[in-house]
Amino acid sequence: DIVMTQSPDSLAVSLGERATINCKSSPSVLYSSNNRNYLAWYQQKPGQPPKLLIYWASTRESGVPDRFSGSGSGTDFTLTISSLQAEDVAVYYCQQYYSFPYTFGQGTKLEIK
Amino acid sequence: QEQLVESGGGVVQPGRSLRLSCAASGFTFSTYGIHWVRQAPGKGLEWVAGISYDGSNKYYADSVKGRFTISRDNSKNTLYLQMNSLRPEDTAVYFCAKDSSGYSPFELWGRGTLVTVSS
Repeated sequence: DIVMTQSPDSLAVSLGERATINCKSSPSVLYSSNNRNYLAWYQQKPGQPPKLLIYWASTRESGVPDRFSGSGSGTDFTLTISSLQAEDVAVYYCQQYYSFPYTFGQGTKLEIK
Repeated sequence: QEQLVESGGGVVQPGRSLRLSCAASGFTFSTYGIHWVRQAPGKGLEWVAGISYDGSNKYYADSVKGRFTISRDNSKNTLYLQMNSLRPEDTAVYFCAKDSSGYSPFELWGRGTLVTVSS
């Protein structure tokens, strides 16, 4: 199984500041034949289902604000929120869909400092 | 409007069975893979099972293999999860989620149904 490890487990950032969440996969989720990283990021607010933010590691889902961006390749990935807004308080998960069983990171709780 | 609505959750004793349903609307159900993902109280997300658009391929997490069965009825736009030999550690909110095509992320989620396994 592919293991997904996020860091940190929790993060407190001031409004308007940058938030960075990391995700490491073992092994790689880069499919060489199409050069795509099978990596997604989700946002989950309390009492709500997860919401897809980013897929193919860096493609923003329709309707997601452009302050959210994804980067990385192979085994190391990053979700960046360029200017934190109050509504961004949530738990963020990375997920690999490279192979079954699909696996999620343990989650990163993002709060306002 | 695309929508997934889960039902069938409740309180069940260990060792008993339960069947969850996920009703889809607003999109052509028969052309998308669908999955079950669960979340234990206060915990993270765990993928449970997935099924291809036509039901020909089914995938399971090791934690439920041999106990849970995923199926779909495309004529009824409905996904199912038959859960047998339930254990306390199966207690969770169960979400159904739609992928976009084959190996792809989950672009649409239901709101979930709570399953509690307790004597």
